[in-house]
Amino acid sequence: GAVVSQHPSWVICKSGTSVKIECRSLDFQATTMFWYRQFPKQSLMLMATSNEGSKATYEQGVEKDKFLINHASLTLSTLTVTSAHPEDSSFYICSARPGTGRGEQFFGPGTRLTVL
Amino acid sequence: GESVGLHLPTLSVQEGDNSIINCAYSNSASDYFIWYKQESGKGPQFIIDIRSNMDKRQGQRVTVLLNKTVKHLSLQIAATQPGDSAVYFCAEKQTGANNLFFGTGTRLTVIP
Repeated sequence: GAVVSQHPSWVICKSGTSVKIECRSLDFQATTMFWYRQFPKQSLMLMATSNEGSKATYEQGVEKDKFLINHASLTLSTLTVTSAHPEDSSFYICSARPGTGRGEQFFGPGTRLTVL
Repeated sequence: GESVGLHLPTLSVQEGDNSIINCAYSNSASDYFIWYKQESGKGPQFIIDIRSNMDKRQGQRVTVLLNKTVKHLSLQIAATQPGDSAVYFCAEKQTGANNLFFGTGTRLTVIP
């Protein structure tokens, strides 16, 4: 149980284009989902927290107009990187927290974004 | 500010030996802790968690110990196997907070 999927697993795009990443909780309902970014050999950096049906809460320094987050249902959250630039290249990982539980978060497999 | 850190960035152990990965946290308001395992190119995998009202919790081949007095968390892996090679992160959740704070990670390498 507690499986989280992400799609796509990797994407290469041209500078200036937008990329959408999907995060799904497959066997549980997630009232809260989180989006992280991870650079090579570094820890996870929280970008934003999203609650189903409400606006996401962004961490300091994360541009909300650049990283659009939508949490339209209890099993789906999307992250759209708008007008991507090479510096946006990174490993993006989502996590989901079950509505019932101890507060644990389960992570997706990550999406490798490369902006040319 | 608050931080969750690790004493050792790398750890090498012989296959079959026990591994101990340590983590220090600085916020006494943290009430929930999780250990994650991350293999290269993959998302973190939940290993085991513990609440602050406990000092020990056991899973399959893993044990988490929590010492609130010195704000120290450890993950013990019994009979370490090559498949245990990965980066291990501790994460803490502060009381009332919505999200986890992650430590810097420890790379565990198992020598066959």
